[in-house]
Amino acid sequence: QVRLQESGPRLVKSSETLSLTCTVSGGSVNNGSYYWTWIRQPPGKGLEWIGNMYYAGSTDYNPSLKTRVSISLHMLKNQFTLKLKSVTAADTAVYFCAKVAGNYASSSGIDFWPQGMLVTVSS
Amino acid sequence: SSDLTQPPSVSVSPGQTARITCSGDALPKQYAFWYQQKTGQAPLLIIYKDTERPSGIPHRFSGSSSGTTVALTISGVQAEDEADYYCQSVDTTDGYQVIFGGGTKLTVL
Repeated sequence: QVRLQESGPRLVKSSETLSLTCTVSGGSVNNGSYYWTWIRQPPGKGLEWIGNMYYAGSTDYNPSLKTRVSISLHMLKNQFTLKLKSVTAADTAVYFCAKVAGNYASSSGIDFWPQGMLVTVSS
Repeated sequence: SSDLTQPPSVSVSPGQTARITCSGDALPKQYAFWYQQKTGQAPLLIIYKDTERPSGIPHRFSGSSSGTTVALTISGVQAEDEADYYCQSVDTTDGYQVIFGGGTKLTVL
């Protein structure tokens, strides 16, 4: 069964780049039966989609974050990463990397969410 | 872009039926998904493709769809069902965008 584990700095300074890694175990990071997503949740608020990474490395991003975000695949390490540039206090949130069942054309939902990681942006 | 609208809160007594709605223009064309998030935990997928239930999810959770509104119904609500519930879909009007409703807090009285 595929498992995910987030890692990275929990404290990032304002205007710097937030960088998180999601390590995949129990399966391949490049598999046509599922794909990956990053979602965040500011403290006490709802869920916000950041972006998707599909089989073979194509991506979709939230238009509101598109100019600052990039998601990359690292097949040799079985990882995918999130980078968010020029962060502000508004980017303080629990960040989830998660697995989406299915493929781009037919998703069966985000079926595995690890615990998530609180990242705080300090001024 | 398209939004998904949920009521902020729903309250029911144990054993009653709770119904949480989610409305949006994307819903007639795209599937809806529902997630349960208990305090301090990660979300859990409880309904996919409008009406399907993942294995391990109790039968008291069901989904329905009609036009621009989808609904999550919890029959025979239990205390353990108290949680935040989020609907999710996809907006393809301008590219591809995953969208979430604002969430509904279910309180079991």
